[in-house]
Amino acid sequence: DTEVTQTPKHLVMGMTNKKSLKCEQHMGHRAMYWYKQKAKKPPELMFVYSYEKLSINESVPSRFSPECPNSSLLNLHLHALQPEDSALYLCASSHGGTGLNGETQYFGPGTRLLVL
Amino acid sequence: QQQVKQSPQSLIVQKGGIPIINCAYENTAFDYFPWYQQFPGKGPALLIAIRPDVSEKKEGRFTISFNKSAKQFSLHIMDSQPGDSATYFCAAQETSGSRLTFGEGTQLTVNP
Repeated sequence: DTEVTQTPKHLVMGMTNKKSLKCEQHMGHRAMYWYKQKAKKPPELMFVYSYEKLSINESVPSRFSPECPNSSLLNLHLHALQPEDSALYLCASSHGGTGLNGETQYFGPGTRLLVL
Repeated sequence: QQQVKQSPQSLIVQKGGIPIINCAYENTAFDYFPWYQQFPGKGPALLIAIRPDVSEKKEGRFTISFNKSAKQFSLHIMDSQPGDSATYFCAAQETSGSRLTFGEGTQLTVNP
């Protein structure tokens, strides 16, 4: 099973709201990722967690706050977002650890976020 | 150095045709090259991947050709079907890194 699940599928929020995106995998993967994807563009890496520790933050604004409660779960907390943050947010996982040795990243279906 | 250049941006073929999507890279430290297929509103799904120690890999109707000296690789879709209509992304990754460097994507349309 190579499934990564994400909830919710769609989310509409105002600029003053606080919301969270959730991601779950049960493949025993130890690396998990958040990506942002705009229409007709490739995914852009936001954060990487390796063994439940944040290993990469691609200079993402603090209004995005990641959390990895355990090895199977990844959250992305959203606060005071801007309309330009509207995008498809993708979670991915791979076997992981530092030095991924080309391990395949498996993507979830994404959360379509609209910020009004 | 970190870029992966993908072409064409869009491609239209007839059913049964063989679309070819090309990618080129500069970073010789890249040693893993996956292709992802993405349908509208869905996440990217791994299609096929190759390492530089082989020049070709086939999985079903999908073939990757790899030219290490030219730092180029390409995806061929044999006997293309309307259901293959999607956006295709090539990508590259270093063994020591955790970043996937994506190409800009190719929107493929297969007409019936």
